[in-house]
Amino acid sequence: EVQLVESGGGLVQPGRSLRLSCTASGFTFGDYAMSWVRQAPGKGLEWVGFIRSKDIDGSTDYAASLKGRFTISRDDSKGIAYLQMNSLKIEDTALYYCSRLHSGDYSGGAFDYWGQGTLVTVSS
Amino acid sequence: QLALTQPSSASASLGASVRLTCTLSSGHPTYAIAWHQQQPKKAPRCLMILKRDGSHTKGDGIPDRFSGSSSGTERYLTISSLQSEDEADYYCQTWGGGIQVFGGGTRLTVL
Repeated sequence: EVQLVESGGGLVQPGRSLRLSCTASGFTFGDYAMSWVRQAPGKGLEWVGFIRSKDIDGSTDYAASLKGRFTISRDDSKGIAYLQMNSLKIEDTALYYCSRLHSGDYSGGAFDYWGQGTLVTVSS
Repeated sequence: QLALTQPSSASASLGASVRLTCTLSSGHPTYAIAWHQQQPKKAPRCLMILKRDGSHTKGDGIPDRFSGSSSGTERYLTISSLQSEDEADYYCQTWGGGIQVFGGGTRLTVL
Protein backbone atom coordinates (compact mmCIF):
# COMPACT_ATOMS: atom_id res chain seq x y z
CA GLU A 1 0.00 0.00 0.00
CA VAL A 2 1.37 3.37 -1.02
CA GLN A 3 1.74 5.71 1.95
CA LEU A 4 3.02 9.25 2.13
CA VAL A 5 3.47 10.86 5.54
CA GLU A 6 4.36 14.53 5.89
CA SER A 7 6.02 15.98 8.96
CA GLY A 8 7.82 19.10 10.11
CA GLY A 9 5.00 21.61 10.11
CA GLY A 10 4.34 24.05 12.90
CA LEU A 11 4.24 27.68 13.94
CA VAL A 12 7.07 29.83 12.60
CA GLN A 13 7.76 33.56 12.58
CA PRO A 14 7.85 35.57 9.35
CA GLY A 15 11.29 35.57 7.77
CA ARG A 16 12.33 32.27 9.34
CA SER A 17 12.89 28.91 7.67
CA LEU A 18 11.26 25.50 7.97
CA ARG A 19 11.93 22.10 6.41
CA LEU A 20 9.14 19.65 5.72
CA SER A 21 9.65 15.93 5.15
CA CYS A 22 7.60 13.40 3.22
CA THR A 23 8.31 9.79 4.13
CA ALA A 24 7.19 7.30 1.51
CA SER A 25 6.50 3.57 1.69
CA GLY A 26 4.81 0.87 -0.34
CA PHE A 27 6.58 1.60 -3.64
CA THR A 28 10.07 2.01 -5.08
CA PHE A 29 10.58 5.65 -4.13
CA GLY A 30 13.50 6.28 -6.45
CA ASP A 31 11.43 5.42 -9.53
CA TYR A 32 9.00 8.31 -9.08
CA ALA A 33 8.91 12.06 -9.23
CA MET A 34 7.55 13.69 -6.08
CA SER A 35 5.70 16.95 -5.62
CA TRP A 36 4.51 19.38 -2.96
CA VAL A 37 1.10 21.02 -3.11
CA ARG A 38 -0.31 23.49 -0.60
CA GLN A 39 -3.74 24.68 0.42
CA ALA A 40 -4.27 27.93 2.28
CA PRO A 41 -7.22 27.99 4.72
CA GLY A 42 -10.48 27.96 2.79
CA LYS A 43 -8.72 28.10 -0.59
CA GLY A 44 -8.01 25.76 -3.47
CA LEU A 45 -4.99 23.60 -4.24
CA GLU A 46 -1.77 25.33 -5.28
CA TRP A 47 1.17 23.47 -6.83
CA VAL A 48 4.48 24.29 -5.11
CA GLY A 49 7.06 22.29 -7.06
CA PHE A 50 8.35 18.85 -7.92
CA ILE A 51 11.52 16.82 -8.18
CA ARG A 52 12.15 14.33 -10.93
CA SER A 53 13.53 10.86 -10.36
CA LYS A 54 17.28 10.45 -10.65
CA ASP A 55 16.65 8.18 -13.63
CA ILE A 56 15.40 11.27 -15.45
CA ASP A 57 17.91 13.72 -14.01
CA GLY A 58 16.74 14.56 -10.48
CA SER A 59 16.02 18.18 -11.43
CA THR A 60 13.32 20.38 -9.99
CA ASP A 61 10.66 22.80 -11.18
CA TYR A 62 8.70 25.27 -9.08
CA ALA A 63 5.69 27.53 -9.26
CA ALA A 64 6.95 30.87 -10.54
CA SER A 65 5.69 32.76 -7.48
CA LEU A 66 7.75 30.57 -5.13
CA LYS A 67 10.95 30.16 -7.07
CA GLY A 68 14.00 31.20 -5.09
CA ARG A 69 12.48 30.74 -1.63
CA PHE A 70 11.45 27.08 -1.74
CA THR A 71 13.72 24.13 -2.55
CA ILE A 72 12.78 20.47 -2.99
CA SER A 73 15.27 17.65 -2.52
CA ARG A 74 15.16 13.90 -2.08
CA ASP A 75 17.00 11.10 -0.33
CA ASP A 76 16.22 7.92 -2.24
CA SER A 77 18.09 5.75 0.28
CA LYS A 78 15.63 6.84 2.98
CA GLY A 79 12.54 7.25 0.81
CA ILE A 80 12.10 10.88 1.85
CA ALA A 81 11.33 14.05 -0.08
CA TYR A 82 12.01 17.43 1.51
CA LEU A 83 10.65 20.93 1.12
CA GLN A 84 12.97 23.64 2.40
CA MET A 85 11.10 26.91 2.87
CA ASN A 86 13.07 30.11 3.46
CA SER A 87 12.07 33.72 4.16
CA LEU A 88 8.60 32.59 5.10
CA LYS A 89 5.71 35.01 4.74
CA ILE A 90 2.33 35.14 6.42
CA GLU A 91 0.75 34.14 3.10
CA ASP A 92 2.71 30.86 3.16
CA THR A 93 0.36 29.68 5.90
CA ALA A 94 -1.21 26.52 4.52
CA LEU A 95 -1.62 22.78 4.74
CA TYR A 96 1.26 21.28 2.78
CA TYR A 97 0.68 17.99 0.96
CA CYS A 98 3.21 15.63 -0.52
CA SER A 99 2.17 13.71 -3.61
CA ARG A 100 3.57 11.19 -6.04
CA LEU A 101 3.53 11.76 -9.78
CA HIS A 102 2.17 8.85 -11.79
CA SER A 103 4.44 9.35 -14.74
CA GLY A 104 8.16 9.39 -15.25
CA ASP A 105 7.69 12.00 -17.95
CA TYR A 106 10.05 14.99 -17.78
CA SER A 107 7.13 17.42 -18.08
CA GLY A 108 5.37 16.12 -14.95
CA GLY A 109 2.27 14.04 -14.39
CA ALA A 110 -0.87 13.40 -12.41
CA PHE A 111 -0.69 13.33 -8.63
CA ASP A 112 -1.80 9.75 -8.10
CA TYR A 113 -1.22 9.46 -4.35
CA TRP A 114 -1.42 12.09 -1.62
CA GLY A 115 -0.30 12.35 1.97
CA GLN A 116 -2.49 13.69 4.79
CA GLY A 117 -0.69 17.02 4.94
CA THR A 118 1.22 19.01 7.54
CA LEU A 119 0.12 22.45 8.68
CA VAL A 120 2.48 25.41 8.48
CA THR A 121 1.43 28.59 10.26
CA VAL A 122 3.49 31.71 9.72
CA SER A 123 2.74 34.30 12.35
CA SER A 124 4.52 36.64 14.71
CA GLN B 1 -0.46 29.72 -21.08
CA LEU B 2 -1.61 26.37 -19.71
CA ALA B 3 -4.72 26.86 -17.56
CA LEU B 4 -7.81 25.04 -16.35
CA THR B 5 -11.25 26.53 -15.72
CA GLN B 6 -13.94 24.99 -13.53
CA PRO B 7 -17.36 26.27 -12.40
CA SER B 8 -17.16 27.16 -8.73
CA SER B 9 -20.23 25.19 -7.72
CA ALA B 10 -22.66 22.46 -8.78
CA SER B 11 -25.54 20.64 -7.18
CA ALA B 12 -27.60 17.55 -7.81
CA SER B 13 -30.05 15.36 -5.92
CA LEU B 14 -29.28 12.20 -4.01
CA GLY B 15 -29.41 9.24 -6.40
CA ALA B 16 -29.17 11.41 -9.51
CA SER B 17 -26.22 11.94 -11.85
CA VAL B 18 -24.07 15.02 -12.29
CA ARG B 19 -21.44 16.00 -14.84
CA LEU B 20 -18.63 18.32 -13.80
CA THR B 21 -16.64 20.22 -16.41
CA CYS B 22 -13.01 21.22 -16.62
CA THR B 23 -11.93 23.38 -19.58
CA LEU B 24 -8.37 23.47 -20.87
CA SER B 25 -6.90 26.68 -22.22
CA SER B 26 -7.51 26.98 -25.96
CA GLY B 27 -3.95 26.19 -27.04
CA HIS B 28 -3.88 22.89 -25.17
CA PRO B 29 -6.71 20.67 -26.43
CA THR B 30 -4.64 17.47 -26.43
CA TYR B 31 -3.65 17.51 -22.79
CA ALA B 32 -4.59 14.81 -20.34
CA ILE B 33 -5.87 15.79 -16.93
CA ALA B 34 -6.47 14.21 -13.57
CA TRP B 35 -9.60 14.55 -11.45
CA HIS B 36 -9.16 14.79 -7.68
CA GLN B 37 -11.80 14.64 -4.97
CA GLN B 38 -11.40 16.41 -1.63
CA GLN B 39 -14.04 15.54 0.95
CA PRO B 40 -14.48 17.99 3.84
CA LYS B 41 -11.47 18.05 6.20
CA LYS B 42 -9.69 15.33 4.21
CA ALA B 43 -6.71 15.13 1.89
CA PRO B 44 -7.36 15.04 -1.84
CA ARG B 45 -7.46 11.69 -3.60
CA CYS B 46 -6.98 10.97 -7.28
CA LEU B 47 -10.16 9.74 -8.96
CA MET B 48 -8.79 9.21 -12.45
CA ILE B 49 -6.40 10.24 -15.16
CA LEU B 50 -8.37 11.26 -18.26
CA LYS B 51 -6.94 11.47 -21.77
CA ARG B 52 -8.06 13.55 -24.75
CA ASP B 53 -9.79 10.54 -26.32
CA GLY B 54 -11.89 9.97 -23.20
CA SER B 55 -10.02 6.89 -22.04
CA HIS B 56 -9.34 7.00 -18.34
CA THR B 57 -7.50 5.11 -15.63
CA LYS B 58 -9.12 5.20 -12.21
CA GLY B 59 -7.35 5.42 -8.89
CA ASP B 60 -7.32 2.62 -6.36
CA GLY B 61 -10.78 1.75 -5.03
CA ILE B 62 -12.68 4.33 -7.06
CA PRO B 63 -16.22 3.04 -7.66
CA ASP B 64 -17.72 2.47 -11.11
CA ARG B 65 -20.11 5.38 -10.40
CA PHE B 66 -17.26 7.71 -11.39
CA SER B 67 -16.47 8.01 -15.08
CA GLY B 68 -14.71 10.43 -17.38
CA SER B 69 -15.10 11.70 -20.93
CA SER B 70 -13.57 14.34 -23.21
CA SER B 71 -14.63 16.65 -26.00
CA GLY B 72 -12.25 19.19 -27.50
CA THR B 73 -10.84 21.26 -24.65
CA GLU B 74 -13.47 19.99 -22.22
CA ARG B 75 -12.84 17.22 -19.76
CA TYR B 76 -15.77 15.79 -17.84
CA LEU B 77 -16.31 13.89 -14.64
CA THR B 78 -19.66 12.12 -14.36
CA ILE B 79 -20.87 10.81 -11.03
CA SER B 80 -23.92 8.58 -11.15
CA SER B 81 -26.18 7.38 -8.33
CA LEU B 82 -25.05 10.30 -6.17
CA GLN B 83 -24.43 9.53 -2.52
CA SER B 84 -24.06 11.89 0.40
CA GLU B 85 -20.33 11.19 0.62
CA ASP B 86 -19.89 12.56 -2.90
CA GLU B 87 -20.43 16.04 -1.49
CA ALA B 88 -16.92 17.40 -1.87
CA ASP B 89 -14.63 19.71 -3.79
CA TYR B 90 -13.49 18.41 -7.16
CA TYR B 91 -10.28 19.66 -8.76
CA CYS B 92 -8.88 19.01 -12.19
CA GLN B 93 -5.12 19.07 -12.72
CA THR B 94 -2.87 19.00 -15.74
CA TRP B 95 0.83 19.27 -16.53
CA GLY B 96 3.20 20.32 -19.26
CA GLY B 97 6.69 21.72 -19.70
CA GLY B 98 7.51 21.09 -16.05
CA ILE B 99 4.51 23.07 -14.81
CA GLN B 100 1.62 21.50 -12.92
CA VAL B 101 -1.70 23.34 -12.94
CA PHE B 102 -4.90 23.06 -10.90
CA GLY B 103 -8.32 24.32 -11.77
CA GLY B 104 -10.04 26.44 -9.15
CA GLY B 105 -12.25 23.54 -8.03
CA THR B 106 -15.97 22.84 -8.12
CA ARG B 107 -17.87 22.44 -4.86
CA LEU B 108 -20.53 19.77 -5.35
CA THR B 109 -23.58 19.86 -3.12
CA VAL B 110 -25.76 16.77 -2.89
CA LEU B 111 -29.35 17.85 -2.24
